[in-house]
Amino acid sequence: NAGVTQTPKFRVLKTGQSMTLLCAQDMNHEYMYWYRQDPGMGLRLIHYSVGEGTTAKGEVPDGYNVSRLKKQNFLLGLESAAPSQTSVYFCASSTSLVAASTDTQYFGPGTRLTVL
Amino acid sequence: AQKITQTQPGMFVQEKEAVTLDCTYDTSDQSYGLFWYKQPSSGEMIFLIYQGSYDEQNATEGRYSLNFQKARKSANLVISASQLGDSAMYFCAMREFYTGGFKTIFGAGTRLFVKA
Repeated sequence: NAGVTQTPKFRVLKTGQSMTLLCAQDMNHEYMYWYRQDPGMGLRLIHYSVGEGTTAKGEVPDGYNVSRLKKQNFLLGLESAAPSQTSVYFCASSTSLVAASTDTQYFGPGTRLTVL
Repeated sequence: AQKITQTQPGMFVQEKEAVTLDCTYDTSDQSYGLFWYKQPSSGEMIFLIYQGSYDEQNATEGRYSLNFQKARKSANLVISASQLGDSAMYFCAMREFYTGGFKTIFGAGTRLFVKA
């Protein structure tokens, strides 16, 4: 089991450029999440998905889009990158909301994105 | 208002000693979950321990224990017999449930330094 993997690990963009971050999990988890981590602010939820073909907005969704075409993959897109989106992005997955009170999230290694 | 407060930006502990990392939370819900995660310098997020709001016993996982004081809304992490490998960032998180969904909120983190 690779667990949760993220591609790429590092990326530098210029303002206005677009890119897609890929998250993949091989644990057959229903739920997947994208977070951003900024110094002094912990993790903030951008978008999440409760199953294939579904997505929902989290705490800070503006400027991002997501897609969950396959159960194992969750893509995070930046259509027009801005310096405020410089951050470390974490993908996570978990089993289901049925046991959400005890369910833990498994995190990927993170993607460090810099927007100049 | 902050939902999860970690008041210690940084902590030092001597190897083999115990250390307590503070976490207080704010919720009006009766059902919620509290988590602690470790983030080493390599960047990945590692689940450590979970406490449910209805659990009467404090959670323990090896050298980790969670000192849950519901009336005070605190969920402190206790690491016994600190090891050099415990040096990392530690995040407290709370999962709240609402009609149609849930969200997990993270604190800003505490950086722990273990001295030899």
